[in-house]
Amino acid sequence: EAGVAQSPRYKIIEKRQSVAFWCNPISGHATLYWYQQILGQGPKLLIQFQNNGVVDDSQLPKDRFSAERLKGVDSTLKIQPAKLEDSAVYLCASSFGGGGNEQYFGPGTRLTVT
Amino acid sequence: AQKVTQAQTEISVVEKEDVTLDCVYETRDTTYYLFWYKQPPSGELVFLIRRNSFDEQNEISGRYSWNFQKSTSSFNFTITASQVVDSAVYFCALWTYSGNTPLVFGKGTRLSVIA
Repeated sequence: EAGVAQSPRYKIIEKRQSVAFWCNPISGHATLYWYQQILGQGPKLLIQFQNNGVVDDSQLPKDRFSAERLKGVDSTLKIQPAKLEDSAVYLCASSFGGGGNEQYFGPGTRLTVT
Repeated sequence: AQKVTQAQTEISVVEKEDVTLDCVYETRDTTYYLFWYKQPPSGELVFLIRRNSFDEQNEISGRYSWNFQKSTSSFNFTITASQVVDSAVYFCALWTYSGNTPLVFGKGTRLSVIA
C-alpha cells in the first residue's frame, strides 16, 4: 500500500514570495492533516480536512496560509507572502477517520525562507 | 488544556543497552488516546502504538514495550537491546475525545544509539 506522498521535499524561497506544497493521502483515507514542525518541536496542526470539508483550521494563520482539498483526495497548502518564521517542515498526514485514529505521515517538505 | 511533556531532550546509549523514554500527559478528559511516533533522519513520522485511556495493559512488540499508568499520567516507552537503527526522535502524543481537539505532541526525545 502506498504511503502519503508529498512534494516538493525541499524548497528555498525569499521572504515575501509565495510557495505551495502538495499532498496525496493514503487511498481511502477520508481525513487529511497539515502540520508545521519547527526545528526542535513536535508537529503542530495547521488544518484538518474530512473529505473536502474543513474540520479544524483554528491554528492556521489565515492572513497568509491557505489550504484546499478539492474532490476530497489531494490537497495543497499555500503560503503567501512567506515570512522568515515560516521556515519549518510541513508534514501531511492522513487517517481512515478523524478523532483518535492513528495518523500516517508523509516525508514532509522542508521550507527555508531567506 | 491538553499537554504532553517529554522531559528528556536527548539520550545517548551504547548498542544493546535498554533505554526508557518518558512521557507525562495532562488532561481532564476521561476518554483519550495516547500515541508514540518515531521520526528517523528521513523526516517521516512512523506510527508505533496507540493506547486508549480504558486499557492500562502494558504492551510488548518485539524489542519495544510500553508502560501506561493512569495514576501517574505516564505512558513510557522502553527499547530493549537497543540498535543503531533505533536512533531517531521519538514523540509522544495525546488526543482527547471532548472538544474535538487536535493531536497534541510533546517536544520529542532524540535517541542516539552508538555502536
